[in-house]
Amino acid sequence: DQQVKQNSPSLSVQEGRISILNCDYTNSMFDYFLWYKKYPAEGPTFLISISSIKDKNEDGRFTVFLNKSAKHLSLHIVPSQPGDSAVYFCAASATGNTGKLIFGQGTTLQVKP
Amino acid sequence: DTGVSQDPRHKITKRGQNVTFRCDPISEHNRLYWYRQTLGQGPEFLTYFQNEAQLEKSRLLSDRFSAERPKGSFSTLEIQRTEQGDSAMYLCASRTTGSNEKLFFGSGTQLSVL
Repeated sequence: DQQVKQNSPSLSVQEGRISILNCDYTNSMFDYFLWYKKYPAEGPTFLISISSIKDKNEDGRFTVFLNKSAKHLSLHIVPSQPGDSAVYFCAASATGNTGKLIFGQGTTLQVKP
Repeated sequence: DTGVSQDPRHKITKRGQNVTFRCDPISEHNRLYWYRQTLGQGPEFLTYFQNEAQLEKSRLLSDRFSAERPKGSFSTLEIQRTEQGDSAMYLCASRTTGSNEKLFFGSGTQLSVL
């Protein structure tokens, strides 16, 4: 069963506009959520995270929102830049669960100049 | 911080051959994880070590797969009698023991089984 889902395989936005990437999860034990960015032929790189005790975390152009009741999180990138074009993975973990991350399928973001 | 290092970056092998991958984690990280990623999917957990102890293995890790971390530093992942379905990127990651710590990933080993 897919505990972390990213239902949009791809997203295309214009440079300077907002990119919104979505993620849903089913396991209510998850209490820590992360976004990773991946370029081809490279490993995932950490972008931003949020604990379940918060509903928003911001880092520069990147903001993650968490809606626990809906089991939904989103990543906002404002303004989007061509260098943001990559695959974005949502991941989740549960305290005491070995620290392993459960990943979604990924969303490919293309930012057009 | 030299990052997580994986070797080789690419491996092409024939079906039925054995292959071994190496991962060198960030030096102060005592937890080491192996993941597998196939096209169009996110990384899937395979196994993890705390120091030299292998504490969890996914059901994805068939008996043809074995991982070791003999001195609690580098780790190896061996696949015996490779099959075409083993073709994937094998990712290694490490972190400290503290809670809510992110994983640092290596660049991966891309395996192609012909």
